[in-house]
Amino acid sequence: EPEVTQTPSHQVTQMGQEVILRCVPISNHLYFYWYRQILGQKVEFLVSFYNNEISEKSEIFDDQFSVERPDGSNFTLKIRSTKLEDSAMYFCASSDWEKQGSPLHFGNGTRLTVT
Amino acid sequence: AQTVTQSQPEMSVQEAETVTLSCTYDTSESDYYLFWYKQPPSRQMILVIRQEAYKQQNATENRFSVNFQKAAKSFSLKISDSQLGDAAMYFCAYSNFGNEKLTFGTGTRLTIIP
Repeated sequence: EPEVTQTPSHQVTQMGQEVILRCVPISNHLYFYWYRQILGQKVEFLVSFYNNEISEKSEIFDDQFSVERPDGSNFTLKIRSTKLEDSAMYFCASSDWEKQGSPLHFGNGTRLTVT
Repeated sequence: AQTVTQSQPEMSVQEAETVTLSCTYDTSESDYYLFWYKQPPSRQMILVIRQEAYKQQNATENRFSVNFQKAAKSFSLKISDSQLGDAAMYFCAYSNFGNEKLTFGTGTRLTIIP
């Protein structure tokens, strides 16, 4: 079964540094998402992306965050200047919007640790 | 805005027994979708079961079934014949019709006792 893949599985960075988290969604999916889960807390929506532009974003997704689909397969989340509170598990997801209510397929996540 | 509430932070069940995880939600929409996701220690989010709000019939998926009460805005998950591999964090989630963005509950950690 096709999978969403995320790299790296674990990223350690220093406060103030830029990080790029990478995702390869399922190939025929049209909607892409990033979610965040701070340790011990619930999964929070960051941003959705469709047709090469952001379709919706949450309050968490401020100017420090950006997303890009640089080619036909990758979908990236960039954090420009990381803060300690950005430490979390970041999940990429994709869905087949042509099928109404199709479930999101999640990747295995990238654990980001900001020191 | 929609909200999802899971009132049981932790649950435990004896292996082979049945357990029910609770979930309530709040929405003013009439068409929407509800999901249960499982998150094992590997941290991957795995879809367990999905329910369309316009369907009265409760969804089932092998040992997993739901009790969907639309008027009460309740969506509980029943796991029958619990197995050690069912140990995980379980998240209830909601999405509006026409928008796949998920709103998650805070999760229930399920422990299986051998």
